[in-house]
Amino acid sequence: GNSVTQMEGPVTLSEEAFLTINCTYTATGYPSLFWYVQYPGEGLQLLLKATKADDKGSNKGFEATYRKETTSFHLEKGSVQVSDSAVYFCALTHLSGGYQKVTFGTGTKLQVIP
Amino acid sequence: EAQVTQNPRYLITVTGKKLTVTCSQNMNHEYMSWYRQDPGLGLRQIYYSMNVEVTDKGDVPEGYKVSRKEKRNFPLILESPSPNQTSLYFCASSSGWGGDRTEAFFGQGTRLTVV
Repeated sequence: GNSVTQMEGPVTLSEEAFLTINCTYTATGYPSLFWYVQYPGEGLQLLLKATKADDKGSNKGFEATYRKETTSFHLEKGSVQVSDSAVYFCALTHLSGGYQKVTFGTGTKLQVIP
Repeated sequence: EAQVTQNPRYLITVTGKKLTVTCSQNMNHEYMSWYRQDPGLGLRQIYYSMNVEVTDKGDVPEGYKVSRKEKRNFPLILESPSPNQTSLYFCASSSGWGGDRTEAFFGQGTRLTVV
């Protein structure tokens, strides 16, 4: 079946450090890939997306590239801030029984310290 | 303002007492869904709805019911809650999950405790 695997957290970084959160997936066909962010006490917000191979999604300094050859969609940011502290979810959408279904990873908590 | 509204935000109840968590969206979205979030398990889909009167099971539907009588509302019903349904619940809506119509909007969450 379809699945998403994220690196275990929490990830603790100092402000201005480089961030990578790994995400790999298993899927049939051609899924769309997403990163969502959940700030403390809030729901999930779409951070970025990529709908086909080699697409790069970007937003708020975060980037991720859809790599079909390695089935990966790693999230990166060049210089993190304290305000980036949150839980990050990798997700994919795929067709199941004629409908689009979503599969989320388990989430990676990021803590950025001043 | 585009939003998904869930109520209540917090709920403590006893085993077996029926409850309903409401979800409403103001974006005229066709697609709505419910998730539960548990530590180490991420978000798991409970039920989803592609449009009015069209619902289907997600990955963990046991113990839950839903209905979609109006486009804007998608309530989650627990007929006989049990302690293993203690969790954080999210409602989400989108105009579609395929291609560019992919942004989902999430509610603020409902933290449910069943004792």
